[in-house]
Amino acid sequence: DVKVTQSSRYLVKRTGEKVFLECVQDMDHENMFWYRQDPGLGLRLIYFSYDVKMKEKGDIPEGYSVSREKKERFSLILESASTNQTSMYLCASSKRTGLRPEAFFGQGTRLTVV
Amino acid sequence: RKEVEQDPGPFNVPEGATVAFNCTYSNSASQSFFWYRQDCRKEPKLLMSVYSSGNEDGRFTAQLNRASQYISLLIRDSKLSDSATYLCVALSGGYNKLIFGAGTRLAVHP
Repeated sequence: DVKVTQSSRYLVKRTGEKVFLECVQDMDHENMFWYRQDPGLGLRLIYFSYDVKMKEKGDIPEGYSVSREKKERFSLILESASTNQTSMYLCASSKRTGLRPEAFFGQGTRLTVV
Repeated sequence: RKEVEQDPGPFNVPEGATVAFNCTYSNSASQSFFWYRQDCRKEPKLLMSVYSSGNEDGRFTAQLNRASQYISLLIRDSKLSDSATYLCVALSGGYNKLIFGAGTRLAVHP
């Protein structure tokens, strides 16, 4: 059974804190993604990684950074959490090659910044 | 302009109805497209890929129109269990980056 696991389902952090969201996949996928999902806005890509130590900014990278030191793990870092980063965060992974690579998602982390 | 755009809905339809969603994409180089389904408070899951010639999976039919740069999803004989958000997805770039639309919400009522 394929699996993408996010470290927390719910998280409450204070404004200004440094926040780490972890994602691990067991499918040997090259690609990993971090999205945030807000009502009416759908899934917006924050960062994308296509290999170890390789990353690409998505549509809304401001206030975030990422780390991919191992193929199976992709971390999202909020350098200094702010209330407008309260959201649902979804991690996904997929194969980098092939015509129709299916993406598999973690269950999401609902982050509240107070 | 967003790379993938969808009508957010909601589409409210009775059981048994036929409903269609459209999605437009701006990157003419995109080669592959998908429909994902997301249930309330759940993660998105692949519903079906979209093939150039159109494809069918039971009550679901997906079409691609490259000239007009849109894809569509047709659901026939709607069931209550079809109530969900349907996300249109395009692959972008050489590394298969996945770009999602904002989703179209479908509510099927008795």
